[in-house]
Amino acid sequence: DVKVTQSSRYLVKRTGEKVFLECVQDMDHENMFWYRQDPGLGLRLIYFSYDVKMKEKGDIPEGYSVSREKKERFSLILESASTNQTSMYLCASSTTLAGSYNEQFFGPGTRLTVL
Amino acid sequence: AQKVTQAQTEISVVEKEDVTLDCVYETRDTTYYLFWYKQPPSGELVFLIRRNSFDEQNEISGRYSWNFQKSTSSFNFTITASQVVDSAVYFCALSENTGRRALTFGSGTRLQVQP
Repeated sequence: DVKVTQSSRYLVKRTGEKVFLECVQDMDHENMFWYRQDPGLGLRLIYFSYDVKMKEKGDIPEGYSVSREKKERFSLILESASTNQTSMYLCASSTTLAGSYNEQFFGPGTRLTVL
Repeated sequence: AQKVTQAQTEISVVEKEDVTLDCVYETRDTTYYLFWYKQPPSGELVFLIRRNSFDEQNEISGRYSWNFQKSTSSFNFTITASQVVDSAVYFCALSENTGRRALTFGSGTRLQVQP
């Protein structure tokens, strides 16, 4: 069964802290994505990666960085958390194999609160 | 650039009513993929359906049906005889065949089904 896991469901951090959100997939997918979800805005793409050690900026990368040292793991880093980064963070993965439709498989999400 | 519009922010119906969730998209690609996801209160995104741009057949799955019309760039979702368990936020999403393969989401429609 397809699985994307995220390290925490809920996280509370203080302003200025460095925050790591971890995502692991077990489907050997090439592509991994980080989105944030805010009410009325849907899901917005922060960063994505097509391969190990590769990363590309999405639509809202400011204040974030990512790391992909292994194919199955994609980390989102908030170098210095701020209150406007309080949000739900969703990780996803997909394959580029023919017939995949670019379908993405999502993790359960991490609700981050920055105080 | 691609865009997905879900004009209905929130819909409230009474159980057993039929309800249609609208989705309008914009893309320059001739090959693209459309998705609907459900997000129940638990927060996890649940995949409902995918469609590629060459397949305009409508689809029915139990109480759910989807109407894909390229002429109007719409991919609407109908729930027949709604139930309380259908209460959730529903997202429509688009992925192009070229480029970054990420999903572009609409802002979501919150459906409340009252008993």
